[in-house]
Amino acid sequence: EVQLVESGGGSFQPGGSLRLSCAASGFIFSDYWMHWVRQIPGKGLVWVSRVDGGGRGTYADSVKGRFTISRDNAKNTLYLQMNSLRAEDTGLYYCVRTNVGAYFDLWGRGTLVTVSS
Amino acid sequence: QTVVTQEPSFSVSPGGTVTLTCGLSSGSVSINHYPSWYQQTPGRTPRTLIYSTNTRSSGVPDRFSGSILGNKGALTITGAQPDDESDYYCALYMGSGIWVFGGGTKLTVL
Repeated sequence: EVQLVESGGGSFQPGGSLRLSCAASGFIFSDYWMHWVRQIPGKGLVWVSRVDGGGRGTYADSVKGRFTISRDNAKNTLYLQMNSLRAEDTGLYYCVRTNVGAYFDLWGRGTLVTVSS
Repeated sequence: QTVVTQEPSFSVSPGGTVTLTCGLSSGSVSINHYPSWYQQTPGRTPRTLIYSTNTRSSGVPDRFSGSILGNKGALTITGAQPDDESDYYCALYMGSGIWVFGGGTKLTVL
């Protein structure tokens, strides 16, 4: 089955760190660019970061310098290292695949990150 | 970074036609932004409707269509159904590996 399964969310303090993981299955993981997209429940979608097949990452300005996206193609796993956490990093983090045409075609169910003191 | 604008809310009667738009705070939306559209109902993951401006994703009814209207991307629903009541998001590819989502439009069908 083609799917993405996120893990690693929870409750964290401002200034803290965490690493999200996304296990991919059912497709050739290394062929695709992968993303993290955040959503506060009941609010809109926010693009966070992308990694290409070779591991090069790009970031939204709001997370640049604090978050690092990476992938392990041998393990079919995507990661997001989140440092210097802020309250505004709170949200449901989706692992998402883009297809040719630069669109998001496969979404995980998300993992919830809450940053609060 | 650039802000992508969408109408916060819209209402359409069953069977009616509605066009939701996706604009840029600075500049015009073009096919080079690869506009894509997503439908999301509460508690569910987004569903891809349209990509590359006007290509319907597999299984999407043909009452959904995408286009560029003036300087904005557009999603038109022709013959709206009650099940179309959802949140709709557009996404634009800004180049250099950067994407931006619009704030979303809450569509009411009544």
